[in-house]
Amino acid sequence: AAGVIQSPRHLIKEKRETATLKCYPIPRHDTVYWYQQGPGQDPQFLISFYEKMQSDKGSIPDRFSAQQFSDYHSELNMSSLELGDSALYFCASSLAGAKYNSPLHFGNGTRLTVT
Amino acid sequence: KQEVTQIPAALSVPEGENLVLNCSFTDSAIYNLQWFRQDPGKGLTSLLLIQSSQREQTSGRLNASLDKSSGRSTLYIAASQPGDSATYLCAVISGNKLVFGAGTILRVKS
Repeated sequence: AAGVIQSPRHLIKEKRETATLKCYPIPRHDTVYWYQQGPGQDPQFLISFYEKMQSDKGSIPDRFSAQQFSDYHSELNMSSLELGDSALYFCASSLAGAKYNSPLHFGNGTRLTVT
Repeated sequence: KQEVTQIPAALSVPEGENLVLNCSFTDSAIYNLQWFRQDPGKGLTSLLLIQSSQREQTSGRLNASLDKSSGRSTLYIAASQPGDSATYLCAVISGNKLVFGAGTILRVKS
């Protein structure tokens, strides 16, 4: 079965550069979530989209922005990168929003290293 | 604000033992609860989803229970195997997002 696809798998950037992470949800899933997981930390919610509209916002820095496109894929744009942005970034998708008892399915993540 | 706590933080058991991982949450107004497994540096694999109206879910050697009123869930692993070694994360659906616990690091020794 198709899973959540994230690209790239690994990304190395320097401080103050920008990065774009992509997420392709499971077909027919209309909700996308972004999470950040630092070393030894649990995943922290950044932002979510339902039907291409932002549905919830967590601890996402102002330097980051995200959107969901007409084909339901999502991109997380990160600017003015800092060393502390080094983390594993997960995307998850679900059908009709989490509150409708649809499990979240996670991608394998993008490991971002800022040097 | 929803907070999720997992106990113990780490657990080491010999192969073949049955074990229980605990999860508690502060706000009982959840839609459902999901248990995940994460191998080091890898993604999150969904193990079980329990809807808020359900008491338990089973999948193979795994059984998860939910007591929504007391804000607790347990993940029971029967006949543990070395391949079960991983971090187990509990997460509740609160609002439109998952709120994760810090996880339990499980090591099953052969």
